[in-house]
Amino acid sequence: DAGVIQSPRHEVTEMGQEVTLRCKPISGHDYLFWYRQTMMRGLELLIYFNNNVPIDDSGMPEDRFSAKMPNASFSTLKIQPSEPRDSAVYFCASSPLSATYEQYFGPGTRLTVT
Amino acid sequence: QKEVEQNSGPLSVPEGAIASLNCTYSDRGSQSFFWYRQYSGKSPELIMSIYSNGDKEDGRFTAQLNKASQYVSLLIRDSQPSDSATYLCAVGSSGGSYIPTFGRGTSLIVHP
Repeated sequence: DAGVIQSPRHEVTEMGQEVTLRCKPISGHDYLFWYRQTMMRGLELLIYFNNNVPIDDSGMPEDRFSAKMPNASFSTLKIQPSEPRDSAVYFCASSPLSATYEQYFGPGTRLTVT
Repeated sequence: QKEVEQNSGPLSVPEGAIASLNCTYSDRGSQSFFWYRQYSGKSPELIMSIYSNGDKEDGRFTAQLNKASQYVSLLIRDSQPSDSATYLCAVGSSGGSYIPTFGRGTSLIVHP
C-alpha cells in the first residue's frame, strides 16, 4: 500500500491567498483526520471524517478553515483567506474501523504564509 | 478537557543505555494507549499500543501501563542514535468518540 498521500509537500503563499491541501487516505480506511502541528501548540486535531461524513470539526480554528471529503479516496482542507499564523505543518491521517485509534499519518504539508 | 502530559525534554542518554519516556493522562476511563515516534521533519509513526495493565514488549521497546496511577511509559533498551526522535504519547477517549488525545511529545537524544 502506498500509505497516506498528501499534496503539496510544501506551500508558500502570501497572506490573503486561498490555500488548498489535499489528502488521499489508505484504501479501505474508514476514518480520516486532519491535524496541524506547531512548536507552540503541538499536534492539534482540526476535523475528522467517518465514511466521508464530517463527525467533529470543533478543532477548526475559525471560519477561514473548511474541509471536505467528496469520496472515500480524497479530502481537502482549505484556508481562505490565509494568515501568517496559519503557518504550520498540516498532517492527514487515516485509520481502519477495526483499529480507529491506530492512525497512519501522511508526510504532511509544510505551509508558510508570508 | 482531557489532557496528556509529557516532559518535553530533551532526554539525553548514551548509546546502549535504557531510555525511559513517561506520560500521564487525565481521563480515568481511557482504555487504549499509544506511542508514536516522530523523526525531525517527518510524520508521526505508530510504534506501540497497549490496552491492559502491565508490560508489553516488542523488540527493544517495552510499553508499561498503570491505569490506577494513570501512567504509561515507554522503555527503549540498548538505545541507538537512530532512536533519536520525538516520542508522542496518545490516549484513546473513553467517551465513545474515536479521537485520540496526543501529548506534546518528549525529545530523545541518544549520543554515541
